[in-house]
Amino acid sequence: QQQVKQSPQSLIVQKGGISIINCAYENTAFDYFPWYQQFPGKGPALLIAIRPDVSEKKEGRFTISFNKSAKQFSLHIMDSQPGDSATYFCAASWGGATNKLIFGTGTLLAVQP
Amino acid sequence: GAGVSQSPRYKVAKRGQDVALRCDPISGHVSLFWYQQALGQGPEFLTYFQNEAQLDKSGLPSDRFFAERPEGSVSTLKIQRTQQEDSAVYLCASSPRAGSGEQYFGPGTRLTVT
Repeated sequence: QQQVKQSPQSLIVQKGGISIINCAYENTAFDYFPWYQQFPGKGPALLIAIRPDVSEKKEGRFTISFNKSAKQFSLHIMDSQPGDSATYFCAASWGGATNKLIFGTGTLLAVQP
Repeated sequence: GAGVSQSPRYKVAKRGQDVALRCDPISGHVSLFWYQQALGQGPEFLTYFQNEAQLDKSGLPSDRFFAERPEGSVSTLKIQRTQQEDSAVYLCASSPRAGSGEQYFGPGTRLTVT
């Protein structure tokens, strides 16, 4: 019940295309859903996050879509660029003493020029 | 301002050696987390500090792992008698408020146990 399932494991997109990564969760206590971007040899960088009281959040080319009833959320990268090539992780946390993040297994995105 | 910094960036230890990994969080951040990231996997929670208090150590894999944050700022993760299965990237993250969820990660320390 603590897991966050992420798909696909890897993704190849042409420059200018839309990249879509999906995550699903079981624990309905989760109330914060961030996406992180990680380049090789670097730590994860917070990209965008959403709370379950909204169904969509957009920041620049990045959009999170959230479906509370289905317990799913997704990251959409519009106009994908080669510089977006990285590993993307979804995560979830819930309130309380810790707010530790539970991460998905990651999606390796390659944007071809 | 400066982000989260970690040192050393790389550490090679012989099996059985003790290691100490340092984390400097973003100034003023109340919360500090340690995560372990195996190759090709997502980070996994190890332990959490709110100021100097260690409120959650449920993710520490064994009693060989020990973390401290004595003055509520810098934190050290210590691994005693390292084993090969300890080889991983150890990530530190900080958050401006308790209960925020919004976490900012350092570059990590890659530990290789030979």
